[in-house]
Amino acid sequence: AQSVTQLDSHVSVSEGTPVLLRCNYSSSYSPSLFWYVQHPNKGLQLLLKYTSAATLVKGINGFEAEFKKSETSFHLTKPSAHMSDAAEYFCVVPVSRAGGTSYGKLTFGQGTILTVHP
Amino acid sequence: ETGVTQTPRHLVMGMTNKKSLKCEQHLGHNAMYWYKQSAKKPLELMFVYSLEERVENNSVPSRFSPECPNSSHLFLHLHTLQPEDSALYLCASSQDTGGWGTEAFFGQGTRLTVV
Repeated sequence: AQSVTQLDSHVSVSEGTPVLLRCNYSSSYSPSLFWYVQHPNKGLQLLLKYTSAATLVKGINGFEAEFKKSETSFHLTKPSAHMSDAAEYFCVVPVSRAGGTSYGKLTFGQGTILTVHP
Repeated sequence: ETGVTQTPRHLVMGMTNKKSLKCEQHLGHNAMYWYKQSAKKPLELMFVYSLEERVENNSVPSRFSPECPNSSHLFLHLHTLQPEDSALYLCASSQDTGGWGTEAFFGQGTRLTVV
């Protein structure tokens, strides 16, 4: 079965400094992986998606993530944090079904709360 | 606007009440989900509907009863809840294309408080 582990429950950065949110995955094959963001009192929004087309994936709001099979990692980065980036971030893997396809059922990591200081 | 709308946004109910949560998706998707998000716990998948049929029920207590009358609407009927059921309930939808790497689109959630 596939799973994801987010290595930090909280990350705190200053505005204008880089952001790194870490995620490791466990899978017997090369999975798809997502990052979702949840702002306070809001639903979840897809930030970016890896589906094996390219290992470096660019998402919305300047975020990107790199799939590293050798390290089983899919870390989320942003060169310069903005106050509006303060939110909770989830690393997510779709659950496969018989035949190797998926249809939207997701397994979530524990979440990382990003705090951005002025 | 995410294309998935949930009502109400907030709900306070007593343990003896009966209430329903509503979800509507405007994305033409054929699969819908209920997730529960409690404080300090990972999101928990509760129910999955694909083509209006319930395909998964993850050991959810019978005091939660889902209903999917058509591919655009999903309900969660609540009765005799417990205080530990207080949480954010998220609805999501996706398109089952028979492919791989399908993402889900989420509503903004209903914040439920059981008193």
